[in-house]
Amino acid sequence: DGGITQSPKYLFRKEGQNVTLSCEQNLNHDAMYWYRQDPGQGLRLIYYSQIVNDFQKGDIAEGYSVSREKKESFPLTVTSAQKNPTAFYLCASSRGTDSPLHFGNGTRLTVT
Amino acid sequence: DQQVKQNSPSLSVQEGRISILNCDYTNSMFDYFLWYKKYPAEGPTFLISISSIKDKNEDGRFTVFLNKSAKHLSLHIVPSQPGDSAVYFCAASIGENNDMRFGAGTRLTVKP
Repeated sequence: DGGITQSPKYLFRKEGQNVTLSCEQNLNHDAMYWYRQDPGQGLRLIYYSQIVNDFQKGDIAEGYSVSREKKESFPLTVTSAQKNPTAFYLCASSRGTDSPLHFGNGTRLTVT
Repeated sequence: DQQVKQNSPSLSVQEGRISILNCDYTNSMFDYFLWYKKYPAEGPTFLISISSIKDKNEDGRFTVFLNKSAKHLSLHIVPSQPGDSAVYFCAASIGENNDMRFGAGTRLTVKP
């Protein structure tokens, strides 16, 4: 059954610790994306990757890092430099130009 | 700066009537527009899309209208059903990048 898997669903971390969110897809999509959702602000683009070993910053990349070593995987690291890391994080993939995004079910990160 | 705006945070309609959700954008380079539906604690699911060469696209009960001169798109749901109750996001992207920008969302409630 094809889709996008984000794990874990809930994640708790102490302030000052880096944390990595997992995103795996078996849709054979070239492009992958990370968004952050905060109440009343919709989805904001953090990073996206159109091909393996290449990625671009979105609108709110500061304090985040990504890698794209495999087509299927696009992990997001939330570093201690991110001022407000508590949020709902969504990973997505697409075939490419003019194609809808397919989303995972998200990871809710809470940093205290 | 938010390039895609949904100015109505919520909308309530009676079952069987029409729901009209609105979206405005500021970047005239956007050429692909989409609507997504989202339930709590889940990822958005794709509903319908339209490219900038069209002004209308229809899929069953859902119709998207695009007015390029006004930089405005709308989603019409006819007839509305209680199962349509969710948050609806509009999104837009530019050409090859497909780096989609989302609005803040409109919460639709369809009353039986």
